[in-house]
Amino acid sequence: RKEVEQDPGPFNVPEGATVAFNCTYSNSASQSFFWYRQDCRKEPKLLMSVYSSGNEDGRFTAQLNRASQYISLLIRDSKLSDSATYLCVVNIQAGTNAGKSTFGDGTTLTVKP
Amino acid sequence: EPEVTQTPSHQVTQMGQEVILRCVPISNHLYFYWYRQILGQKVEFLVSFYNNEISEKSEIFDDQFSVERPDGSNFTLKIRSTKLEDSAMYFCASSSLMGLPTYEQYFGPGTRLTVT
Repeated sequence: RKEVEQDPGPFNVPEGATVAFNCTYSNSASQSFFWYRQDCRKEPKLLMSVYSSGNEDGRFTAQLNRASQYISLLIRDSKLSDSATYLCVVNIQAGTNAGKSTFGDGTTLTVKP
Repeated sequence: EPEVTQTPSHQVTQMGQEVILRCVPISNHLYFYWYRQILGQKVEFLVSFYNNEISEKSEIFDDQFSVERPDGSNFTLKIRSTKLEDSAMYFCASSSLMGLPTYEQYFGPGTRLTVT
């Protein structure tokens, strides 16, 4: 089983649509959770951290369910500029060390006019 | 806005040669990371570094790889004897503990390594 598993995609949606991405992780010791976006041949860019209480940033909402080891990202009113690959990232760290991050394979989103 | 920088942007080397990839993390960050991404594949963790020592490393990070923070600003990844399969994009990242255990990492633009 993969350590971090994401919807395989790709997702092709019209502008204005709402789209949801799902991610599960296998290691219950995981402590920090993130969504990144990656444009073609570019570096991953942090979209948002994910907290158990859920968090929202504009059109983006992230949720974490530790019991189910499940993370989600909801994009509302999608824009052409949202087209990218979305990466689910899980981090484990012991004490104050820098830890280890595991990336999912990514889910590609294409928003069409 | 502070950012992570990496040099060179593209490095071409022959198999068996040593390469050093350089990174300048964000200045007040304490944790440093190297990742690689083979074309068309996922981002893979290589190593994390804190307080002048390796925190964690993956099975990819074998004896051919080493990291160093030679001064207060640079963070380097050395590959001693490159193989064809080392061809990939190498990303450096840094993060800071900002009052919450979030460990948000900020990535540099990457160095594309091509081994011929």
